[in-house]
Amino acid sequence: NAGVTQTPKFQVLKTGQSMTLQCAQDMNHEYMSWYRQDPGMGLRLIHYSVGAGITDQGEVPNGYNVSRSTTEDFPLRLLSAAPSQTSVYFCASSHRGFNTDTQYFGPGTRLTVL
Amino acid sequence: AQSVTQLDSHVSVSEGTPVLLRCNYSSSYSPSLFWYVQHPNKGLQLLLKYTSAATLVKGINGFEAEFKKSETSFHLTKPSAHMSDAAEYFCVVSRPSGGYNKLIFGAGTRLAVHP
Repeated sequence: NAGVTQTPKFQVLKTGQSMTLQCAQDMNHEYMSWYRQDPGMGLRLIHYSVGAGITDQGEVPNGYNVSRSTTEDFPLRLLSAAPSQTSVYFCASSHRGFNTDTQYFGPGTRLTVL
Repeated sequence: AQSVTQLDSHVSVSEGTPVLLRCNYSSSYSPSLFWYVQHPNKGLQLLLKYTSAATLVKGINGFEAEFKKSETSFHLTKPSAHMSDAAEYFCVVSRPSGGYNKLIFGAGTRLAVHP
């Protein structure tokens, strides 16, 4: 049972490039989400999904797209990278997404946009 | 609206002394509250959670937290710090949205433990 996995661990992009951050979980969780972590700001929700085929925006969705074609995978796409997107990105999952559920986090992807 | 404030950005203690990390929350209804720990270059791991059961919650690695509604606080404590406790700690309040959960994170408290 690998839990939540993320690839890549590190990535450097040039302004304007696009890329996809991968996230997968093997716990059959319905709820998955993407956060970005910036110094002194904790984690902020980018997008979330309550099941395959269903996604919604979080606090800071601009510049990011998501899709959820399977229960296991929840990729995050950067359409045209900007320096303001330099951050550490975490994917998380939980059983149902209720407010009592424990969130399980991946190890993170550290992204630098030049 | 829900929010969470961690009162200290940095806390430094000596090994073997008590740890206190402070957290205040605001919520328009009875919240679910969590403490997560993040070790350097790692993901977040759940320490403990409060979900309207017992107000004193025990977590992993000897940590515990007490929910005090009158003070809107959820402070994290440990009787005796260990070097391995050095990490960043996040207090989190839940925000149900259409029956699903969105987490609101505090800014974090970095705990340093000195020999």
